[in-house]
Amino acid sequence: DAKTTQPTSMDCAEGRAANLPCNHSTISGNEYVYWYRQIHSQGPQYIIHGLKNNETNEMASLIITEDRKSSTLILPHATLRDTAVYYCIVRTIYNFNKFYFGSGTKLNVKP
Amino acid sequence: DAGVIQSPRHEVTEMGQEVTLRCKPISGHDYLFWYRQTMMRGLELLIYFNNNVPIDDSGMPEDRFSAKMPNASFSTLKIQPSEPRDSAVYFCASSSGAQETQYFGPGTRLLVL
Repeated sequence: DAKTTQPTSMDCAEGRAANLPCNHSTISGNEYVYWYRQIHSQGPQYIIHGLKNNETNEMASLIITEDRKSSTLILPHATLRDTAVYYCIVRTIYNFNKFYFGSGTKLNVKP
Repeated sequence: DAGVIQSPRHEVTEMGQEVTLRCKPISGHDYLFWYRQTMMRGLELLIYFNNNVPIDDSGMPEDRFSAKMPNASFSTLKIQPSEPRDSAVYFCASSSGAQETQYFGPGTRLLVL
């Protein structure tokens, strides 16, 4: 059961890129890296996920190291609305009870 | 699509009372999940269904909790009798398959006095 380690909080200036790191040194070969975020008082929102290769979508980019022991979520141009808690999660496709959210990183985007 | 719908959004009740939380998943989704979030324990998976059938309820804290999914568009999570330690935000989520992402509802904030 791979767990993740994330910084408790980070600050980012509005308009700049936000780079959120995640360590998952015990990840196994069939586990994906997922990122969700939770804006205050709302349900978690899916951002992106990947297995080995870097991924990009309309919200963010996910960079996974070659050894897969860590990853970085990149929000290319952070806005005030990106202020949220960001969760890095590793799980296999079918082990839903392994969907461990942890404590996440509180990203504060400042004007 | 309206997304996952949960009701009520807020619930305040007294210890010992029965509480029923409701969820309508996104149309066409065949997986439904119930989570609980507290400051102490974070977000925990309680139970999930596939095609209306409960698959894993190992996260349900005790027998006071029960969940049903009578059809593809409706699920309930019931707590009977409720206790103050059940106070939390309860989220429902759905997905269109085992490999797909989960979409969360807005949550129900439960306070048991």
